[in-house]
Amino acid sequence: SQKIEQNSEALNIQEGKTATLTCNYTNYSPAYLQWYRQDPGRGPVFLLLIRENEKEKRKERLKVTFDTTLKQSLFHITASQPADSATYLCAPATGFQKLVFGTGTRLLVSP
Amino acid sequence: DAGVTQSPTHLIKTRGQHVTLRCSPISGHKSVSWYQQVLGQGPQFIFQYYEKEERGRGNFPDRFSARQFPNYSSELNVNALLLGDSALYLCASSLALGGEETQYFGPGTRLLVL
Repeated sequence: SQKIEQNSEALNIQEGKTATLTCNYTNYSPAYLQWYRQDPGRGPVFLLLIRENEKEKRKERLKVTFDTTLKQSLFHITASQPADSATYLCAPATGFQKLVFGTGTRLLVSP
Repeated sequence: DAGVTQSPTHLIKTRGQHVTLRCSPISGHKSVSWYQQVLGQGPQFIFQYYEKEERGRGNFPDRFSARQFPNYSSELNVNALLLGDSALYLCASSLALGGEETQYFGPGTRLLVL
């Protein structure tokens, strides 16, 4: 069955540093991979989508890579800020829209 | 513009009861999906509807059912509630089907089953 792994341990970093979150998937070949941010008690918010034929995608301080050989996506936040503290979810997707979410990685950025 | 709205925000039920959760998508969005999120886990897909037809179903028992109305709003029904049904129920809408479509999530309904 499809399996998505994100680091379940919280990631603690200092303000200004780059945060790197990992998403590994097995047993399927997604055409797209979406990243969402979720704050406590709220619904996820879409951040970025990367297609299988794209190696890298950037949006402001965010950067996502997609390595279909390694079956892995990396999510980077540069110049991190305390306001970036949240849980980040990856969701590889096939051609149809059934998103399969990972468990998420909690990011804590301290001042 | 209003985002995805869900009602109620919180709900407490007892085992064996049934519950109906409601969702209104963003205006113009024709697809609605439902997810269950238990504490510490990512959202788990329950159903997807597009143009009032079920287009996908996750690995949930038949106690879970849903429908989409002509105005694209949706209801999720859960019968014979179990303690394990306690979770945050999320509704997401999108313009159309497809893995490229951004899903816009509502704030969720937090269900507690006692």
